[in-house]
Amino acid sequence: DSGVTQTPKHLITATGQRVTLRCSPRSGDLSVYWYQQSLDQGLQFLIHYYNGEERAKGNILERFSAQQFPDLHSELNLSSLELGDSALYFCASSPEGGLAGSDTQYFGPGTRLTVL
Amino acid sequence: AQSVSQHNHHVILSEAASLELGCNYSYGGTVNLFWYVQYPGQHLQLLLKYFSGDPLVKGIKGFEAEFIKSKFSFNLRKPSVQWSDTAEYFCAVPQSGNTPLVFGKGTRLSVIA
Repeated sequence: DSGVTQTPKHLITATGQRVTLRCSPRSGDLSVYWYQQSLDQGLQFLIHYYNGEERAKGNILERFSAQQFPDLHSELNLSSLELGDSALYFCASSPEGGLAGSDTQYFGPGTRLTVL
Repeated sequence: AQSVSQHNHHVILSEAASLELGCNYSYGGTVNLFWYVQYPGQHLQLLLKYFSGDPLVKGIKGFEAEFIKSKFSFNLRKPSVQWSDTAEYFCAVPQSGNTPLVFGKGTRLSVIA
């Protein structure tokens, strides 16, 4: 158990819908990262928040957005869902998230999203 | 931008065989390197990491990795695999100048009795 929690574990929805995935980082960690894991694309970085502020963006679609709240939990919002959005969405947290790249990331169990 | 190559897509070994999984990264200079493991149906867990110092890094469950700067490599090794090592293994490097990780495509390891 990494100490990172994600809800829900599974989510099944229809195309065109909107969903919210939630992540609670390890106690004391200031950074939250979101990744998407799919069979064809592998593990792709989506977005990074540090202490409430967006720090880096990766391959995140405009239909997707995220935020980190004052209590440091984060939510990933996916809208106008398409079949291709079906994937495992992982959240990771790290103590800092500085620029040195030496911060270790700890991953949550993931949310499996199925779009029908 | 940093990229990571894992050349072995699927490796099948018998129990007690030795393991070496390749990982190459593209960007020179100071690098921090990670190996993560994903057991079937589970989340990614950190196996080991290299930040600086001794290029031979020991991780959990008997795994080790060697950083060879001249070859831009960080290969994962284990002298004797067990059935419980069946999993997917990911090499990762932070993007240059930032912490979000760039992952390799992963290597699926199947250990058979």
